[in-house]
Amino acid sequence: EVQLVESGGGLVQPGRSMKLSCAASGFTFNNYDMAWVCQAPKKGLEWVATISYDGSSTYYRDSVKGRFTISRDNAKSTLYLQMDSLRSEDTATYYCARHGYKGYYFDYWGQGVMVTVSS
Amino acid sequence: IQLTQSPSLLSASVGDRVTLSCKGSQNINNYLAWYQQKLGEAPKLLIYNTNSLQTGIPSRFSGSGSGTDYTLTISSLQPEDVATYFCYQYNNGLTFGSGTKLEIK
Repeated sequence: EVQLVESGGGLVQPGRSMKLSCAASGFTFNNYDMAWVCQAPKKGLEWVATISYDGSSTYYRDSVKGRFTISRDNAKSTLYLQMDSLRSEDTATYYCARHGYKGYYFDYWGQGVMVTVSS
Repeated sequence: IQLTQSPSLLSASVGDRVTLSCKGSQNINNYLAWYQQKLGEAPKLLIYNTNSLQTGIPSRFSGSGSGTDYTLTISSLQPEDVATYFCYQYNNGLTFGSGTKLEIK
């Protein structure tokens, strides 16, 4: 069974940093591109970042370029999101998601972790 | 590509045939998926590549469309289908629609 379990969220002050982790199990982690998707409170979904299966390529939405870094450790089957220079508008639930094998949709999601940026 | 979903709120009766719409600002080339999100839960993939049913999803869900216009159909609405439904395109960038909230009348 595919499982994605996020951790590392919480309350953080504007301008500070936070690192999210996503532990994957139930599939061959290094065969899949992975992503982070966020959802602000009572809002829609937004793709945040994607990393290729081997970590050689990364992609970001414009609003997080230069502030967020997606990475992975295939030996540990773990995905990360380093978030620096956080802003109030980054407040959201962050989901770890697996990209599909037949296209760049997301076929499995974690339960999500809340990040609140506030002083 | 911007995605516009309609209606934003839909109220229907159990057993009804329900149709949700998603329109792109440009050609999506069938790279469209549909997600179901129940309150307090993560999104769940229903349909990918316009009309491919994800494993484990009931056959009452189906997808269709081409070009800029796409549809999710629930053939016979069930109480457990109460949720918000999002379309998502992966043809040019990665973007979600704003969602359709589906309620039981």
